[in-house]
Amino acid sequence: RKEVEQDPGPFNVPEGATVAFNCTYSNSASQSFFWYRQDCRKEPKLLMSVYSSGNEDGRFTAQLNRASQYISLLIRDSKLSDSATYLCVVSDGTGRRALTFGSGTRLQVQP
Amino acid sequence: SAVISQKPSRDICQRGTSLTIQCQVDSQVTMMFWYRQQPGQSLTLIATANQGSEATYESGFVIDKFPISRPNLTFSTLTVSNMSPEDSSIYLCSVELAAGANVLTFGAGSRLTVL
Repeated sequence: RKEVEQDPGPFNVPEGATVAFNCTYSNSASQSFFWYRQDCRKEPKLLMSVYSSGNEDGRFTAQLNRASQYISLLIRDSKLSDSATYLCVVSDGTGRRALTFGSGTRLQVQP
Repeated sequence: SAVISQKPSRDICQRGTSLTIQCQVDSQVTMMFWYRQQPGQSLTLIATANQGSEATYESGFVIDKFPISRPNLTFSTLTVSNMSPEDSSIYLCSVELAAGANVLTFGAGSRLTVL
């Protein structure tokens, strides 16, 4: 079983749609959770951290369920510029400060 | 934020040769990491570059194949030794800018093709 598993994608959605990505992680000791965005041929960039109580940043909402070891990302009112690969990322729960990346879910927003 | 410069940005190399990738940060950082992203795959951590001591390697990666230097808090190098086509990948330097935040910022990556 992969340490971090994501929806396989790709997701093809029209502009204005709401889309949700899911992620599960296997390490119950993980303490930090993130969503990164990676544009084609670019480096990953932090989209948002994910907090236990859930958090929102504009059109983006992240949720964490520790009991189920499940993370989600909701994007409302999709824009063409949201087209990218979204990576679910978790810490390894030790003092090493290493992060484990999911394989990513590709989103293509169409006009 | 910090500026992370990686070079080379890309290279094409012959089998059996070695390539050293440099990562320069414009501010001092405690944690520096090297990741690999193979074609169509996600990121895999190669090692943590430790300043003044040997790097900490992840399972499946060894020092002989991926020697790493970290002479100070702003600079690190990763060497890919005795390359084979399977080493064709993007190699990314990353740093933790805010100590304890566990948030990574990445360099633009070095795209390596081995023929």
